[in-house]
Formats: sequence, C-alpha cells, structure tokens
Amino acid sequence: DAGVIQSPRHEVTEMGQEVTLRCKPISGHDYLFWYRQTMMRGLELLIYFNNNVPIDDSGMPEDRFSAKMPNASFSTLKIQPSEPRDSAVYFCASSGPGTQYFGPGTRLLVL
Amino acid sequence: GIQVEQSPPDLILQEGANSTLRCNFSDSVNNLQWFHQNPWGQLINLFYIPSGTKQNGRLSATTVATERYSLLYISSSQTTDSGVYFCAVGTSGTYKYIFGTGTRLKVLA
Repeated sequence: DAGVIQSPRHEVTEMGQEVTLRCKPISGHDYLFWYRQTMMRGLELLIYFNNNVPIDDSGMPEDRFSAKMPNASFSTLKIQPSEPRDSAVYFCASSGPGTQYFGPGTRLLVL
Repeated sequence: GIQVEQSPPDLILQEGANSTLRCNFSDSVNNLQWFHQNPWGQLINLFYIPSGTKQNGRLSATTVATERYSLLYISSSQTTDSGVYFCAVGTSGTYKYIFGTGTRLKVLA
C-alpha cells in the first residue's frame, strides 16, 4: 500500500481565500483523523471519522473549518475563509482498531 | 481530560549511546503509540503498545498501564534517530489520541 496520501503538500494562499486539503487513507482502514501541528499548540486532533461518519469534531477550532468524508477512500478539510493564524502543518492519519498511520502532511501558509 | 507528560523535553547524545524516554499519563488508557517525527516532519509509527513490551531492532518499548507510564528505549543511537519522539494515548471507547509535547533528540556524530 502507498500509505496515507495527502495533497497538496504545500499551500500558500492569501487571507480570505478558501483552502481545501485532501486525504486518501490506507485501504481497509475504517478510522480517519485530521490533525493540526503548530509550534505553539503542538499536535491537535481536529476531527475523526469512523466508517465515513464524523465521530468527534470537538477539536475543530471554528465554523470556518469543515471536514467531509464522502466515501471510504477520500476526505477533505476545508477552511473558508482562511486567516493567517491557520498557518500550520495539517496531517491526515488512518487506522484500523489501534495503530494510526500518518500522511506526509500539508504545510499551509496564509498570508 | 487526560494529561500526557514526556520527559526529558530535550536530549543530546553522542552516536552509540543509549537512552530512555518516558511518557506519563494521568488516567487509564486503552491505546498508546510512540511516534518519531523526523527532521523532514514525517510522523512515523514506532510502536502500538497499550501494555507489555515490544522490540524492533534497536528500539524497544514498555508500557506499565497500571502505573500509567510508558518507556521508549533507544540503544546504540545513530544520527538518523534525531527528531522528536511523541507518545500518544487514547482512553476507553475512543480512538481519539492525545499527544504529549514530545522529546526532542539530537544525536551527534
């Protein structure tokens, strides 16, 4: 398997623009997680899905953030409108019961 | 919520040295993983170890769930071991992981 795939790997955008991050989990994994990593706050769980259903979105910082998982092989994290404080590395991870495997991350810079 | 503390926060080793990293958690856990974040930012799964002991090459880990701690041992360290080591724990009924703040390791040649 190719592992968890994320795109784009880098994104530079201007404040106010919509940003969409994409994730393809490992085939057969029924859990999918979105994390954000910053120097100030470390690694934070934003939301996770089980069998394409959102289970816990308590980490989503604001209504500007939304996540979807239309099928077992694809998920998106959308920020609209983006702000400079959203600049971070966003990771997607997937798992069966137990071990989580992380994607390479998307480095987002909002100017 | 559950608290996860890692120690030491920073560690500098000479190549070939051994080290022990510690993860303390404040409540019972059902899931625990150790990750290595390399200098390029990639998070690599090392061990899934909610209890017991596992070994993989020069690395081994032990979790004593009843005493609420886990240890990661690195033997004969190499420069490629440099990076940040994270412990992540999950409590009963959820796969929601809480990450510790990490131990930053630098191995000198």
